[in-house]
Amino acid sequence: QTVVTQEPSFSVSPGGTVTLTCALSSGSVSTSHSPSWYQQTPGQAPRTLIYNINTRSSGVPDRFSGSILGDKAALTITGAQAEDEFDYHCMLYMGRGIWVFGGGTKLTVL
Amino acid sequence: QITLKESGPALVQPTQTLTLTCTFSGFSLNTGGVGVGWIRQPPGKALEWLALIYWDGDPRYSPSLKNRLTITKDTSANHVVLTLTNVGPDDTGTYYCAHREAATAHFQDWGQGTLVTVS
Repeated sequence: QTVVTQEPSFSVSPGGTVTLTCALSSGSVSTSHSPSWYQQTPGQAPRTLIYNINTRSSGVPDRFSGSILGDKAALTITGAQAEDEFDYHCMLYMGRGIWVFGGGTKLTVL
Repeated sequence: QITLKESGPALVQPTQTLTLTCTFSGFSLNTGGVGVGWIRQPPGKALEWLALIYWDGDPRYSPSLKNRLTITKDTSANHVVLTLTNVGPDDTGTYYCAHREAATAHFQDWGQGTLVTVS
């Protein structure tokens, strides 16, 4: 069974840069997994942030960027703001119409 | 403007079958490549992809739940229905439906979610 791992929690200072990652239990994340990232306040629906590795969804500030770093997908926030304090979820496409989410990262900005 | 809204029972008894409906607008499930998926989230836990149905009716299921899930569509009514059989406490959570645009591998638009408790 495929497991996608994210850091359970991360902390960043206001104005700082943070990179959240998304790893596969077996193998490397590649372009074929078309990683996407979702931002969520507990109790609310996820909001699409990044898709197809590094394409920002409409209205998403350019301080959010996506990439593949080594064998992982990555979400980088450059110049973090207090309003960026959310849960962040990655999702990978495994092919044949199958998707898998990571465990989510709770980001604290303080 | 694309909208999706989930509906269904808030409370289901163990061993029963859960049926959820996603009613959408702003796109057509007749358009090639388009899909509607279901994702759930137990309280305080991660998102879990459950199923997706493509415009042509082709269903896809999470391998871990495929024996219990059925996804269907009623294109004329802009509905997608998900059934989950033999529910248990672990099936408690918020269930979301979401829109997959053609030729993409992500979910762009999400419903508000519906909370289902199995008890």
